[in-house]
Amino acid sequence: DAKTTQPNSMESNEEEPVHLPCNHSTISGTDYIHWYRQLPSQGPEYVIHGLTSNVNNRMASLAIAEDRKSSTLILHRATLRDAAVYYCILRDSYGGSQGNLIFGKGTKLSVKP
Amino acid sequence: SQTIHQWPATLVQPVGSPLSLECTVEGTSNPNLYWYRQAAGRGLQLLFYSVGIGQISSEVPQNLSASRPQDRQFILSSKKLLLSDSGFYLCAWSVLGNTIYFGEGSWLTVV
Repeated sequence: DAKTTQPNSMESNEEEPVHLPCNHSTISGTDYIHWYRQLPSQGPEYVIHGLTSNVNNRMASLAIAEDRKSSTLILHRATLRDAAVYYCILRDSYGGSQGNLIFGKGTKLSVKP
Repeated sequence: SQTIHQWPATLVQPVGSPLSLECTVEGTSNPNLYWYRQAAGRGLQLLFYSVGIGQISSEVPQNLSASRPQDRQFILSSKKLLLSDSGFYLCAWSVLGNTIYFGEGSWLTVV
């Protein structure tokens, strides 16, 4: 399975942008880049996903490098509710066992008021 | 809209006792279903996934089993719990290749 590498933790100030990096140098052509986040004592929550082009939604933006070997999740204005563990995951578009989400350790984001 | 329910939310079980966690999905047909476990302070580990009724794939050898008796029902079981089975158990679903949605989770403490 293609692996991802993320920093263990990051800190941000409230109301400031946050850039969460992810390296995935062994990504294959059919892998989508997914981001989930997990708040304490809750199940993971979908944030955003993309294949090649940058993506925006109401929660965040996803910037994907041209060679697709890295990506960055961007929270435009961090709030205290954004404090969570953020997971960057590669998921094969064909589903089945290759489409399963394999979680790494993620990045624990702390937001300071 | 689709919803996922899993229960019980919390349980404390003695070592050697059986386990049954149940998960149901509403509002979709023929979903892929998943059971994950998260030990304290660790990441999520995929335990089982199912692409259809009666079709179960196990990702890791363990003391647990899973069954899918109906299209939108997924059950996690154990005949005899071990201390190491303690953790946060999450059921999840997806339609092929798309976003995976997680339930609220079940906290299991084996004592």
